[in-house]
Amino acid sequence: DIQMTQSPSSLSASVGDRVTITCQASQDISNYLNWYQQKPGKAPKLLIYDASNLETGVPSRFSGSGSGTDFTFTISSLQPEDIATYYCQQYDNLPHTFGQGTKLEIK
Amino acid sequence: QVQLVESGGGLVKPGGSLRLSCAASGFTFSDYYMSWIRQAPGKGLEWVSYISSSGSTIYYADSVKGRFTISRDNAKNSLYLQMNSLRAEDTAVYYCARPPGGWLGWFDPWGQGTLVTVSS
Repeated sequence: DIQMTQSPSSLSASVGDRVTITCQASQDISNYLNWYQQKPGKAPKLLIYDASNLETGVPSRFSGSGSGTDFTFTISSLQPEDIATYYCQQYDNLPHTFGQGTKLEIK
Repeated sequence: QVQLVESGGGLVKPGGSLRLSCAASGFTFSDYYMSWIRQAPGKGLEWVSYISSSGSTIYYADSVKGRFTISRDNAKNSLYLQMNSLRAEDTAVYYCARPPGGWLGWFDPWGQGTLVTVSS
């Protein structure tokens, strides 16, 4: 199975800060990497697909980059409503695995 | 709008069975693969199973293979997960989710989830 390692596991930042989360795959997954946002008590929501494509309706402060084994998710200017846990997910090989999540809090 | 609504969760004893359902609306259900994904309390996300649009191709995570059965009824726009020989570690919120088009990729949208608790 492909292991997805996110860092950090948790992050505290201030409103307006630039926030970066990384996701590393245990083998080359090309750009078959997606990012989700999950707010407490809610289902995950797709934000980024194929490493860098912004899902329709998602604010442009969210972005993704990377290919191969190393990927980055960025919030350019943190807003209070961005408080959530963020997950990466690969779909290069079955089983389609998720990272362990990054919990983002407001400082 | 596209909507997925799960039902069927509840409390079940170890070794017991449960059948989850997912009602789909707002899109042509028979054109899409569908999937189940679960999340144990306070934990991360775990993909469980895929079924192709016709039901002819099915994949399972090793953790549920031989115990869980995914199925669908395209006439009823419904997805199912039959869960047998349940274990404490199957306790989770179970989400149904839709991959894109006729292939496997991302999951969008997701249902609201249904909680399965396996405990004596």
